[in-house]
Amino acid sequence: DTAVSQTPKYLVTQMGNDKSIKCEQNLGHDTMYWYKQDSKKFLKIMFSYNNKELIINETVPNRFSPKSPDKAHLNLHINSLELGDSAVYFCASSQDQGQPQHFGDGTRLSIL
Amino acid sequence: QKEVEQNSGPLSVPEGAIASLNCTYSDRGSQSFFWYRQYSGKSPELIMSIYSNGDKEDGRFTAQLNKASQYVSLLIRDSQPSDSATYLCAVESWGKLQFGAGTQVVVTP
Repeated sequence: DTAVSQTPKYLVTQMGNDKSIKCEQNLGHDTMYWYKQDSKKFLKIMFSYNNKELIINETVPNRFSPKSPDKAHLNLHINSLELGDSAVYFCASSQDQGQPQHFGDGTRLSIL
Repeated sequence: QKEVEQNSGPLSVPEGAIASLNCTYSDRGSQSFFWYRQYSGKSPELIMSIYSNGDKEDGRFTAQLNKASQYVSLLIRDSQPSDSATYLCAVESWGKLQFGAGTQVVVTP
């Protein structure tokens, strides 16, 4: 069983479109995260939710909107996609803040 | 100043030798430290966590932490070609993990 699963694995779309990425974890963790890894491989946190509550909101354009329907799911919706949004987006989860995080396989987003 | 700094590499290591990776961090209040391994095109995988000063060993991996010097390192003994990957240092700061840019390790047969 996959511990942290994301869909889709690949997303190719045109500039200006709106897209969503879904994430689910079956580890019973309370905290979930979204990270962006750019072409230089730098992994940067975007958002974090603890038990459905937003606790970390980094300097991210408001075109990005996370949503956590329950503590096992964290989705990411992106409006008006731009070329600079091309990256790999990773979902992760941990038992609590500051604890080891387990990552999903990533969603490779390519903007044409 | 970056919050977590690592040498980007590549670090070339002969098979069977010891690979030594270093990481420095800026937040003196950090309490939790992690090493992740990331193969090309894959997700980061946790290999070590360390919370107190000193050494922690797990198989061929040893993590070393010195909070006074704000320094954490990872040693890989008996390096194998399968250890070729990028190693990410992650430091807990204000409830979130700050990642270094990673050190690429290449183990040569």
